[in-house]
Amino acid sequence: SQQGEEDPQALSIQEGENATMNCSYKTSINNLQWYRQNSGRGLVHLILIRSNEREKHSGRLRVTLDTSKKSSSLLITASRAADTASYFCATDAIGGGATNKLIFGTGTLLAVQP
Amino acid sequence: NAGVTQTPKFQVLKTGQSMTLQCAQDMNHNSMYWYRQDPGMGLRLIYYSASEGTTDKGEVPNGYNVSRLNKREFSLRLESAAPSQTSVYFCASNVDSSYTDTQYFGPGTRLTVL
Repeated sequence: SQQGEEDPQALSIQEGENATMNCSYKTSINNLQWYRQNSGRGLVHLILIRSNEREKHSGRLRVTLDTSKKSSSLLITASRAADTASYFCATDAIGGGATNKLIFGTGTLLAVQP
Repeated sequence: NAGVTQTPKFQVLKTGQSMTLQCAQDMNHNSMYWYRQDPGMGLRLIYYSASEGTTDKGEVPNGYNVSRLNKREFSLRLESAAPSQTSVYFCASNVDSSYTDTQYFGPGTRLTVL
């Protein structure tokens, strides 16, 4: 079953605007990751935030994590047309045994209009 | 480094045919994974291999078999393809599945079963 669900399912913005997408998950986690997928390509890792962190930055990306609400948000500032892609959150579940497996959400499709 | 490579890129099968999807990584990673991606479903784990010589079922293993041929290669076999297996298949790897870190993805194989 899906651990994470992204919201919104689709988002269309103008170049230069900020884009915010959210992820909710069901069980306790060790960490949460965000990945990007360009159309027809594989997933590319963007950022990892650990369960004891509340906020993390990487370039134009800002990720927050609220473990009490079991939710995370990804903010892309000053968006560019090249940011057009699907964005997925992925979590690992505590208690998953010796192997930590990622569980992916359903994704947010971001379209940045030039 | 090529990273994670997958062959073929595209494949069309008839119901009941068999085929093997190939995956190789040149990053000396211990762990490898097979996912399938269907519209609106995100990625679902089919099988994984925590280390050379071991394989385990993921969320949706029915209808598939895997082989961890060596540290570099992890293949996925469909013995008798069904239309429900029409999907995009991704192979991924990471350093060690005993802790969660970045997974590196291949470009995917688009499979259609008629």
